[in-house]
Amino acid sequence: LAKTTQPISMDSYEGQEVNITCSHNNIATNDYITWYQQFPSQGPRFIIQGYKTKVTNEVASLFIPADRKSSTLSLPRVSLSDTAVYYCLVGEDGQNFVFGPGTRLSVLP
Amino acid sequence: NAGVTQTPKFRILKIGQSMTLQCTQDMNHNYMYWYRQDPGMGLKLIYYSVGAGITDKGEVPNGYNVSRSTTEDFPLRLELAAPSQTSVYFCASSYTPGTVDEKLFFGSGTQLSVL
Repeated sequence: LAKTTQPISMDSYEGQEVNITCSHNNIATNDYITWYQQFPSQGPRFIIQGYKTKVTNEVASLFIPADRKSSTLSLPRVSLSDTAVYYCLVGEDGQNFVFGPGTRLSVLP
Repeated sequence: NAGVTQTPKFRILKIGQSMTLQCTQDMNHNYMYWYRQDPGMGLKLIYYSVGAGITDKGEVPNGYNVSRSTTEDFPLRLELAAPSQTSVYFCASSYTPGTVDEKLFFGSGTQLSVL
């Protein structure tokens, strides 16, 4: 299982772009990189997944460099409703998905 | 499409009582998981199942039991509830890990307090 490291917390203001970087130096060849978002009192929700280069959907973009040892979740023009905890998951440990502490994003008015 | 459904949403138990947390999914996922999340912390895996009739322990299985008699249902049983089991419990399901479809789908959670 590739261990991931991401900042514990980040602050931003409404309308700004937010980039959250996740380090995963031991990523395996067949590992996907998946990001989840969790609001208080709710289960995590899938945001975006990628393998290499760039992936974009209606919510976010995911940038993955050629060596795949890190990835960056980009949230364009955040609003107060983007305040949440964001988890980066890489691969799985057997059949387990192991969650770290995530990044607590606070969007300020 | 309901996704992953958990019941109950809230429950208060007395020390020593038992209860079953229900989880059902309608996406025909083979893999199902139970996580617990303590306040301000990440999720810890309790038990998981790779298919009907097959279950295995996760990081924190002590004090819990599971069964998987059907693809859809994955109940979590608490025997002899203790204050340390006060937490929010999430059930999740997925297609086969290690594939492009490995994303997890979570239920809305059960808030459990043991007093």
